[in-house]
Amino acid sequence: EVQLLESGGGLVQPGGSLRLSCAASGFTFNNYAMNWVRQAPGKGLEWVSSIGSSGGSTYFADSVKGRFSISRDNSKNTLFLQMNGLRAEDTAIYYCAKDRRAMGIDYWGQGTLVTVSS
Amino acid sequence: DIQMTQSPSSLSASVGDRVTITCRASQGISNSLGWFQQKPGKAPKCLIYAASSLQSGAPSRFSGSGSGTDFTLTISSLQAEDFATYYCQQYSSYPITFGQGTRLEIK
Repeated sequence: EVQLLESGGGLVQPGGSLRLSCAASGFTFNNYAMNWVRQAPGKGLEWVSSIGSSGGSTYFADSVKGRFSISRDNSKNTLFLQMNGLRAEDTAIYYCAKDRRAMGIDYWGQGTLVTVSS
Repeated sequence: DIQMTQSPSSLSASVGDRVTITCRASQGISNSLGWFQQKPGKAPKCLIYAASSLQSGAPSRFSGSGSGTDFTLTISSLQAEDFATYYCQQYSSYPITFGQGTRLEIK
């Protein structure tokens, strides 16, 4: 059974940093690209970032480019999202999501809440 | 960027109804489209991928069709547990984009 467990969310002041983690199990992690998708309170889904299976390719939404970085540790089956320069508009639930080999997302984690506020 | 436009934004229907939700891409995306269901307070779940392939475990009353720019999600006979918000997503090119969502409510 595929399981994705996010952690690292919390309350942070504007301009601060957070590092989200996603622990994966139930599949061969290093065979699949991974994604981060967020959802602001009461709003729709917004793709944030993707990383290829080896970590060699990364992609970012314009809204986070230059502030966020994505990485993975295939030896520990873990995905990361480093978020710097956080803004109020980054407040959202952040979901880790598994890719289906170039056919979109198939599984989602339960999400972790990031709140940016003074 | 490819814009995804869903219609309607909200929909009221009754148990047993046949429901169709549409999604239009601002440019052709072949069949690189997925549909997701999200219930309040829960993570999204995949229903359809590659425009018309049913996700393992998704009920067979859900079906998808379309190619290019116009796509539909059909629920053949609404069940009580289907009242939720539905999103389309294109993965043809980065940035990946989602539709704004369709909220399906009980009439």
